[in-house]
Amino acid sequence: DTAVSQTPKYLVTQMGNDKSIKCEQNLGHDTMYWYKQDSKKFLKIMFSYNNKELIINETVPNRFSPKSPDKAHLNLHINSLELGDSAVYFCASSLSGPGRSQPQHFGDGTRLSIL
Amino acid sequence: ILNVEQSPQSLHVQEGDSTNFTCSFPSSNFYALHWYRWETAKSPEALFVMTLNGDEKKKGRISATLNTKEGYSYLYIKGSQPEDSATYLCASGSSASKIIFGSGTRLSIRP
Repeated sequence: DTAVSQTPKYLVTQMGNDKSIKCEQNLGHDTMYWYKQDSKKFLKIMFSYNNKELIINETVPNRFSPKSPDKAHLNLHINSLELGDSAVYFCASSLSGPGRSQPQHFGDGTRLSIL
Repeated sequence: ILNVEQSPQSLHVQEGDSTNFTCSFPSSNFYALHWYRWETAKSPEALFVMTLNGDEKKKGRISATLNTKEGYSYLYIKGSQPEDSATYLCASGSSASKIIFGSGTRLSIRP
C-alpha cells in the first residue's frame, strides 16, 4: 500500500497549457507539502497545508495554486506553464507541522517537462 | 547562519571505510533537525529526527548527533557499503513552522 501517492509520474506538455498534479496520503497525517526539485537538485518547499489550511506559501508565481479538498489530498494546479516550470515536483506529508519532530514521507515525484 | 548548509557537497569513499558529513543550521528558533536519505530516481526517506541538544540517534551502521547551541549535526556511516550510495539531506525546522532543506551531500561508495 503506497503511503504518499502522486499522479501522474510523468507529465509532458506544451508551454502555455494548464495542468494539475494530484497527491493523496493514506497515513492519517495532518500536514501535506509540495516541493520543487530545481535544476541544481535542491529541494525547495512551495506550499504546506495543515488540516486543509494553507500554512506555508513560499515565493511562488501566482500561476501555481494548491488545493486541499480534505486533509488526505493536496493537489497542485499550474496555469500557463512556462519552460522554467520543468522540474520534479514532490508531494510529502507528516503527522505534525513543518519542521516539527515528525519526519516527512515523500511521494515518488512527478517529472514535469515543458516543450 | 541563515540557511542550512551541508558539507562536503560530494564524497567518494572506499567500501568498508567509515565516513561522516556535516549539516549547519540556524541555532535561533530551532525546533527539529531532520536527516533524509535520497537514492537516485527515488524519493527522500527519513533517517532521523532530533530535537534536543546532545541527541544521538542510531540506525544500523548510520548514526547522527545534534548540537543545537552551535547549530550543527553530524551524520556518521560506519563500514560503508555500496548500498549507502545516496544523497543525504538535512532539514532544519524552526518554531515559526518553517522547514529548510540543505543541498545535500552526495555519497558514492567505491567497491
